[in-house]
Amino acid sequence: EAQVTQNPRYLITVTGKKLTVTCSQNMNHEYMSWYRQDPGLGLRQIYYSMNVEVTDKGDVPEGYKVSRKEKRNFPLILESPSPNQTSLYFCASSGGRTGDYEQYFGPGTRLTVT
Amino acid sequence: KNEVEQSPQNLTAQEGEFITINCSYSVGISALHWLQQHPGGGIVSLFMLSSGKKKHGRLIATINIQEKHSSLHITASHPRDSAVYICAVPKYSGGGADGLTFGKGTHLIIQP
Repeated sequence: EAQVTQNPRYLITVTGKKLTVTCSQNMNHEYMSWYRQDPGLGLRQIYYSMNVEVTDKGDVPEGYKVSRKEKRNFPLILESPSPNQTSLYFCASSGGRTGDYEQYFGPGTRLTVT
Repeated sequence: KNEVEQSPQNLTAQEGEFITINCSYSVGISALHWLQQHPGGGIVSLFMLSSGKKKHGRLIATINIQEKHSSLHITASHPRDSAVYICAVPKYSGGGADGLTFGKGTHLIIQP
């Protein structure tokens, strides 16, 4: 079954404690993105990757890091989380340029930073 | 950068009603996406369209490229259609950036 998986699904942490949210897809997709969803602001892109070792900033990259060492995995790293990073996070992948191919989304990770 | 406006923001209707959700964008695009998000759930892709009309069951999506406008219609609406519907367009416009720009979503409630 084609799918994007994220872990963990729920996470409560404290300010400053480094964390990683994993994302993995089984469709051999080149394009992957991270988005955050906040009430009243909708979905906004954090980072994207167009292939292994090719990543770039989206609209709201501050406080986040990513890496793409393997095609299937695109982890999101919060080196020093802060309360304003409390949000619902989605990973997505597509077979080509994001605007031209169907998007597959992960189930979401609800992060709370206290 | 493409701007995306959706309307209405909230919509409550009775079961069986015909539903229309609108989406306008500011910059020409190659394709537009309609997404669905159920309460507490993930996001699924409903349609990707670049011209004309697409239909899937009771859902119909149309797009007018010249007017930069798309609509999502639901016929014979049912309580299980209650969800947030999100319109999204490509971020890039001849540039190298990738990803989607999203509308703020339409929160639809269908009452029995």
